[in-house]
Amino acid sequence: EVQLVQSGAEVKKPGESLKISCKGSGYIFTNYWIGWVRQMPGKGLEWMGIIYPGDSDTRYSPSFQGQVTISADKSISTAYLQWSSLKASDTAMYYCARRRGGPETGWFNPWGQGTLVTVSS
Amino acid sequence: QSALTQSSSVSGAPGQTMTISCTGSSSNIGAGYDVHWYQQLPGTAPKLLIFGNNNRPSGVPDRFSGSKSGTSASLAITGLQAEDEADYYCQSYDNSLSVSVVFGGGTKLTVL
Repeated sequence: EVQLVQSGAEVKKPGESLKISCKGSGYIFTNYWIGWVRQMPGKGLEWMGIIYPGDSDTRYSPSFQGQVTISADKSISTAYLQWSSLKASDTAMYYCARRRGGPETGWFNPWGQGTLVTVSS
Repeated sequence: QSALTQSSSVSGAPGQTMTISCTGSSSNIGAGYDVHWYQQLPGTAPKLLIFGNNNRPSGVPDRFSGSKSGTSASLAITGLQAEDEADYYCQSYDNSLSVSVVFGGGTKLTVL
């Protein structure tokens, strides 16, 4: 079974750093792009960026460029999303998802269960 | 402001047929790019419902179907059931942006 399992919920203070993870199993991790999606409380889905674990090619949405870093460790089939200095506005649920199809036609399946990040002083 | 526009909410009675629309522009749906649909049940992660405009992954009931025409796409749900109450999102590609994945704002479906 193809699965993405994300790390657990985090509670952080403004200014702190954070790295959350997304571990793939049941497929060849290096062969598929992994995307990250933000969902703020009560809001819709926002595309953040995507990484190809095979060569770590990474693309960011303009809205998130410079705000987060996406990386991957193919030796342990895990993708990461990290912040160097969190803000209260980073409070959200974050999902990873595997992309199927090509860059212009692709869809996301499956999705991880989500990681809730709460940033509060 | 999402590049893809969806109605914020729709509602229907059990057994009815509901349609959820997703309106784009000449840089996304109108350019011929595929549309995909996701269902997000309360408190859960999104789940793929339709890919490539009108294809269902295995396990998705045939009550769900997708279509695309011009700059818009639609998700139809026939024989509405209580368990269909969820948020629904469309997704496509947009060639006007430097990185291209775009989601609709989501539609909340309420089963009366």
